[in-house]
Amino acid sequence: DTGVSQDPRHKITKRGQNVTFRCDPISEHNRLYWYRQTLGQGPEFLTYFQNEAQLEKSRLLSDRFSAERPKGSFSTLEIQRTEQGDSAMYLCASSPRSRDGYGYTFGSGTRLTVV
Amino acid sequence: AQTVTQSQPEMSVQEAETVTLSCTYDTSENNYYLFWYKQPPSRQMILVIRQEAYKQQNATENRFSVNFQKAAKSFSLKISDSQLGDTAMYFCAYLSGTYKYIFGTGTRLKVLA
Repeated sequence: DTGVSQDPRHKITKRGQNVTFRCDPISEHNRLYWYRQTLGQGPEFLTYFQNEAQLEKSRLLSDRFSAERPKGSFSTLEIQRTEQGDSAMYLCASSPRSRDGYGYTFGSGTRLTVV
Repeated sequence: AQTVTQSQPEMSVQEAETVTLSCTYDTSENNYYLFWYKQPPSRQMILVIRQEAYKQQNATENRFSVNFQKAAKSFSLKISDSQLGDTAMYFCAYLSGTYKYIFGTGTRLKVLA
């Protein structure tokens, strides 16, 4: 297992365009998380899945954002009608079903630049 | 709501010296976990060390150790024998039963040759 994979690594898009990012978690992990990291800040929680069910969404996740995890495997995060404020690093993480943080593994992120 | 505060935006240390990064947090919960993560230019968040709040003994991982003061809600990271590869952003993080991390704003550490 090569860890949590995210694609693409970088994305530059024009304001108003839609973008989609993909995350492939560690195969035996049933939890998957999305975080957003803006310049000079720590990552902020966006949403998480347990298997295919989206169990929690942050208020940071506006109506333009949608995340899916079909079949409980990979996940996609789509941003519609991108705005310059969406420019950030989008981090994906996965973990086994535990409350103590063991096995919580982050990907290398997708850096989005909206011009 | 829980908060995590890192008051040192940047720090530098000479190679082979010791440096301490500070972190304070606020919570009303009794059971939680605290972490230090390292984020090098490669961007991946790498776990450095974790501490269970119910354990009084401070965690240690090789050159990395913490000073956990539960009553003061303080959780500092000490890096001994600093190496050039320790240059990175360091984030303090809190985790409770909600499964999601709450991160501080980070400290940029530069190890000087």
